[in-house]
Amino acid sequence: QVQLQESGPGLVKPSQTLSLTCTVSGDSISSGSYSWSWIRQPAGKGLEWIGRMYINGGTDYNPSLKSRVTISIDTSKNQISLRLSSVTAADTAVYYCARDGGRWDYGMDVWGQGTTVTVSS
Amino acid sequence: QSVLTQSPSASGTPGQRVTISCSGSSSNIGSNYVYWYQQLPGTAPKLLIYRDNQRPSGVPDRFSGSKSGTSASLAISGLRSEDEADYYCATWDDSLSGSWVFGGGTKLTVL
Repeated sequence: QVQLQESGPGLVKPSQTLSLTCTVSGDSISSGSYSWSWIRQPAGKGLEWIGRMYINGGTDYNPSLKSRVTISIDTSKNQISLRLSSVTAADTAVYYCARDGGRWDYGMDVWGQGTTVTVSS
Repeated sequence: QSVLTQSPSASGTPGQRVTISCSGSSSNIGSNYVYWYQQLPGTAPKLLIYRDNQRPSGVPDRFSGSKSGTSASLAISGLRSEDEADYYCATWDDSLSGSWVFGGGTKLTVL
């Protein structure tokens, strides 16, 4: 059964770049027709989709974050990475990665447990 | 402010049937499937309903989804204490370059 695990620094200074990694186990990220999404959730608030990457290298990003987001995939390590630049306190949240089966199939059907990132000096 | 609109809270007693609604527009719910997620306290969201009304393996048939026009609903019958959680609707939005959008979430309390 596929499992996802997010990792990265829990504290990032304002104006710096947030970098997170999602490690996939139980299946190859290159298999099937899935893309891989990142979602975040500020404490006590709702979910916000950040973006996704397809295995062919294509990407979709949330228009509100597009200028600051980069998602990449390392198939050799079975990992998906997220970079969010010029962070502010508003970027403080729990960050999740999820397997994305697409809008016509299963949607985001498997999620990692999430990792908390705090933006503070 | 979320693209999809959900009531912030809902409640019911054990055994009751409760319904959670999600309202959108022609560019999202009106032209794409709706997905529902359950988020128990302190945990990651879990897929509850996909393609408007389909249940993943392991999800009890007490949970059901429906859609009409630009609105969708999640119904929970035979309410149980373990159903107390936050519920989110999600769908794809075709506006701009497209993106997944979520409702603001509904906190379900089992009285």
